[in-house]
Amino acid sequence: GENVEQHPSTLSVQEGDSAVIKCTYSDSASNYFPWYKQELGKGPQLIIDIRSNVGEKKDQRIAVTLNKTAKHFSLHITETQPEDSAVYFCAAGVSNFGNEKLTFGTGTRLTIIP
Amino acid sequence: DGGITQSPKYLFRKEGQNVTLSCEQNLNHDAMYWYRQDPGQGLRLIYYSQIVNDFQKGDIAEGYSVSREKKESFPLTVTSAQKNPTAFYLCASSTRDINGYTFGSGTRLTVV
Repeated sequence: GENVEQHPSTLSVQEGDSAVIKCTYSDSASNYFPWYKQELGKGPQLIIDIRSNVGEKKDQRIAVTLNKTAKHFSLHITETQPEDSAVYFCAAGVSNFGNEKLTFGTGTRLTIIP
Repeated sequence: DGGITQSPKYLFRKEGQNVTLSCEQNLNHDAMYWYRQDPGQGLRLIYYSQIVNDFQKGDIAEGYSVSREKKESFPLTVTSAQKNPTAFYLCASSTRDINGYTFGSGTRLTVV
């Protein structure tokens, strides 16, 4: 089955600086790579995702890059703000546009220092 | 507003008892999932269902059971056979038209 590794487990950055979280996956059949943000006591929320036919995707301050050859993908947050503090999870799986079964990383606790 | 509702938010169970966690969605999503979250271990898949009256085991199904009698509902029963049930349980759903999962707000189960 799929195995997803995520690093680092904790990350502290100064407000306004950039944060990068990295994930690797094992199954070359995986074609869908979402990122979720989880705030304390809540369920994760999808913040950005990428499919294997795309190398990079941006949404305002958030971007995701994918290297299929190396089987790794990364989340980049620029101009960080206090509300970015949360736990972030990467995931990988085979998607048929719905009904996908995702394997999650172990999470990164991001703390933005004011 | 559409969404996924998990209840209760907090649940306490005595050792040896079965307990059922509720998950209801009004998003008309076909697939539903149960994940378990433990500190430092991320989210691990317990069971998933892609269609009514059908479901498959995930990576950690032992000690759990589910049913999918209605499209909107996917209850999870934590049985006495689950050796370490204290955890945060998350229900999710997905559909062809929208990427990714929609998660509920979770149920924290504590065995006392």
